[in-house]
Amino acid sequence: DAKTTQPNSMESNEEEPVHLPCNHSTISGTDYIHWYRQLPSQGPEYVIHGLTSNVNNRMASLAIAEDRKSSTLILHRATLRDAAVYYCLLSGTYKYIFGTGTRLKVLA
Amino acid sequence: EAEVAQSPRYKITEKSQAVAFWCDPISGHATLYWYRQILGQGPELLVQFQDESVVDDSQLPKDRFSAERLKGVDSTLKIQPAELGDSAMYLCASSAGLALSYEQYFGPGTRLTVT
Repeated sequence: DAKTTQPNSMESNEEEPVHLPCNHSTISGTDYIHWYRQLPSQGPEYVIHGLTSNVNNRMASLAIAEDRKSSTLILHRATLRDAAVYYCLLSGTYKYIFGTGTRLKVLA
Repeated sequence: EAEVAQSPRYKITEKSQAVAFWCDPISGHATLYWYRQILGQGPELLVQFQDESVVDDSQLPKDRFSAERLKGVDSTLKIQPAELGDSAMYLCASSAGLALSYEQYFGPGTRLTVT
């Protein structure tokens, strides 16, 4: 199963951009890259996903390296409500493998 | 906005007792997942259904855990007998299908404490 590596924690100031990195060097050609986030005492929430090209939605942007071995989730203006654990994962053979994620702390 | 429903939200049970969790996925979602999340870790997939059929239960401890989705809609996850190590959050998720691009929608979870 393909695995991802993320920093355990990151900090950001409110209203500044945040770049959350993820390494997935064992990614296969058919794996999608997904990002979810989990607020305390809640289930994970979908953020964004992509295959090869960069993606934008109302929540965030996803930048995928040309060799697809890494990706970066970009929150353009962090708010206090963005404080959560962010998971980068690959979908292969119909299932997701979650790692331990990055705990994002947003400072007011 | 449609949501995945789970009940109960919290459950405290004694070791060796039976416990059951219920999940109602988003209407029309054919694929349903049960995850277990131990505090401080990411969710771990236990079982995956496509309609009423099990697609993957390779990580389900089958000696004590069972899951069913009889009519291909709602689902029940059962533990019998519960052990102390089963204390965790049990999450249900659903998606429109098996395709790798589909996003999963998660419910609020059931927090189980085994004493």
